Amino acid sequence: DAGVIQSPRHEVTEMGQEVTLRCKPISGHNSLFWYRQTMMRGLELLIYFNNNVPIDDSGMPEDRFSAKMPNASFSTLKIQPSEPRDSAVYFCASSLPGGSGNTIYFGEGSWLTVV
Amino acid sequence: AQSVTQLGSHVSVSEGALVLLRCNYSSSVPPYLFWYVQYPNQGLQLLLKYTSAATLVKGINGFEAEFKKSETSFHLTKPSAHMSDAAEYFCAVSHTGGFKTIFGAGTRLFVKA
Repeated sequence: DAGVIQSPRHEVTEMGQEVTLRCKPISGHNSLFWYRQTMMRGLELLIYFNNNVPIDDSGMPEDRFSAKMPNASFSTLKIQPSEPRDSAVYFCASSLPGGSGNTIYFGEGSWLTVV
Repeated sequence: AQSVTQLGSHVSVSEGALVLLRCNYSSSVPPYLFWYVQYPNQGLQLLLKYTSAATLVKGINGFEAEFKKSETSFHLTKPSAHMSDAAEYFCAVSHTGGFKTIFGAGTRLFVKA
């Protein structure tokens, strides 16, 4: 069975450029999460969607970050303009309804470097 | 509010020795508790979870964890460490009706030959 699929796996971009990260959740999962992981801050929840609707975006660091989920099988996380401090691993994850005892399934991550 | 505290950001054991990774939680409602493992350059994957059935939970790769309500703990153990266990381990908590799973800061396990 296909897991959570993220693209690109690695991206190096210059400061000021737009970055778009993509995610395909596991079929049948109606909850989708975007996380960011850095050495300094650990694993941070950026935004959570339920049934394609953003439920909590309180973790989005600033207006440069935006996320969309146009349908049940696709989501994007966009950074515009990008800055060096955005360098991190960005994970997309999905689950059956968020919380409760449901397991969260993570993608392999998108490694972003902003120079 | 829920929270998770993992004691020790780094733990080092010798191959064949006992692995003990500590996790304490705070929750005003009955919790669901998880351990996830992250191998280098990979995403997190579920190791085991407690969902109010048996308090001793067995997971993959010989790991187990025991839910102790009186101590608000969910420590992860493995009798004999293997080199392949070297990874980062995350304790997490959620509850019924809450959409968030709260992750701890992680404990990196080093296994010495």
